[in-house]
Amino acid sequence: QLQLQQSGPGLVTPSQTLSLTCAISGDSVSRNTAAWNWIRQSPSSGLEWLGRTYYRSRWYTDYAVSVKSRIRINPDTSKNQFSLHLNSVTPEDTAVYYCARALYDWFDPWGQGTLVTVSS
Amino acid sequence: QSVLTQPPSVSGAPGQRVTISCTGSSSNIGAGYEVHWYQQLPGTAPKLLIYGNNNRPSGVLDRFSGSKSGTSASLAITGLQAEDEADYYCQSYDSSLSGWVFGGGTKLTVL
Repeated sequence: QLQLQQSGPGLVTPSQTLSLTCAISGDSVSRNTAAWNWIRQSPSSGLEWLGRTYYRSRWYTDYAVSVKSRIRINPDTSKNQFSLHLNSVTPEDTAVYYCARALYDWFDPWGQGTLVTVSS
Repeated sequence: QSVLTQPPSVSGAPGQRVTISCTGSSSNIGAGYEVHWYQQLPGTAPKLLIYGNNNRPSGVLDRFSGSKSGTSASLAITGLQAEDEADYYCQSYDSSLSGWVFGGGTKLTVL
């Protein structure tokens, strides 16, 4: 059964980079029918899709317009995981961050979530 | 503020039927993109409840059903139970944003 296990710091200083990792068990980050996503949830913005990475003979990434200039999502095939890097963070980036798999157009399952607070 | 619009809250007595609406536009639901629903219990991650407008994943009870028409979709819950108290979110794809979008969420209270 697929499980997604998130890890990363819960506190990030403003203007620094937020980095989280999602370890995959029960599937492969290189599966050519899956996409690996990051989604965040905050009281002010609700659920917000941030981006995805997926493998279709080569690696692709797609990012939400709202964070496109600040985000990077990387696969790590050696560890069967993928990561989120969001730079130049502000307090508005404070949220619970989730990783999730998509086989089609929906997200299932989701990781356990990581509360990331941006504060000095 | 969310691209898809949901009522903030709905309520019903045990055993009753409630519906939650999700209104979009011509760039998402109205463009033919499918609608999916999630249930989020307090302190947990969202869980897929309905996919492809009206399909239930294995393990989801048939008390939950979805429908779609035009630029809107609905989630219906029959035979309300106390354990159905949760937040419910709709989700679709938006072609003008080139990304996936969610509703603002609806809090279901079982009276």
